[in-house]
Amino acid sequence: SQKIEQNSEALNIQEGKTATLTCNYTNYSPAYLQWYRQDPGRGPVFLLLIRENEKEKRKERLKVTFDTTLKQSLFHITASQPADSATYLCALEGTGANNLFFGTGTRLTVIP
Amino acid sequence: GAVVSQHPSWVICKSGTSVKIECRSLDFQATTMFWYRQFPKQSLMLMATSNEGSKATYEQGVEKDKFLINHASLTLSTLTVTSAHPEDSSFYICSASSTQVRRNQPQHFGDGTRLSIL
Repeated sequence: SQKIEQNSEALNIQEGKTATLTCNYTNYSPAYLQWYRQDPGRGPVFLLLIRENEKEKRKERLKVTFDTTLKQSLFHITASQPADSATYLCALEGTGANNLFFGTGTRLTVIP
Repeated sequence: GAVVSQHPSWVICKSGTSVKIECRSLDFQATTMFWYRQFPKQSLMLMATSNEGSKATYEQGVEKDKFLINHASLTLSTLTVTSAHPEDSSFYICSASSTQVRRNQPQHFGDGTRLSIL
């Protein structure tokens, strides 16, 4: 069965630096991948979607890459701010229409 | 736009009680809504897919008689946890996609319901 790994449970970085989060998957060839942000006690909020034929996607300070050969997506936050502190989840399409399977998430803390 | 409202946000009840959770799309219509469960420090696990006007599709291992789903309109889906027990305590989250069902659509999530069974 498909497996999604976000190999850092927690990541601490200094304000102003670039945060890089990793999402790896196995036994799977998704046509697209999504990234969400989740704050404590809240539902996830959609950030970015990248398709298999797109190498890179940007939105303001966010950048996502998708390497289908390595079966990996990288999520970057440049010029990080304490307000970026949250858990970031990657999600892959599931078997049904618009189903999503989520990784375990990386809890990012940006230190002032 | 694309706001999903979930109610209640927090429930504490005794073992054996049935609890109903509502999920509403406020500014769009959703033929499909999804119900997830999330345990502390774990990711979201899809429980079932709710389709307006038809029976829900449950993921493997999820008891359909335990978790009753009703999607009676394009803006409302409900999840009822029947005869809840302490092991059902969790964070339940719903999400919805717009009626223009296309692959690759982002999902819009409610803020979740924290269920605690004593």
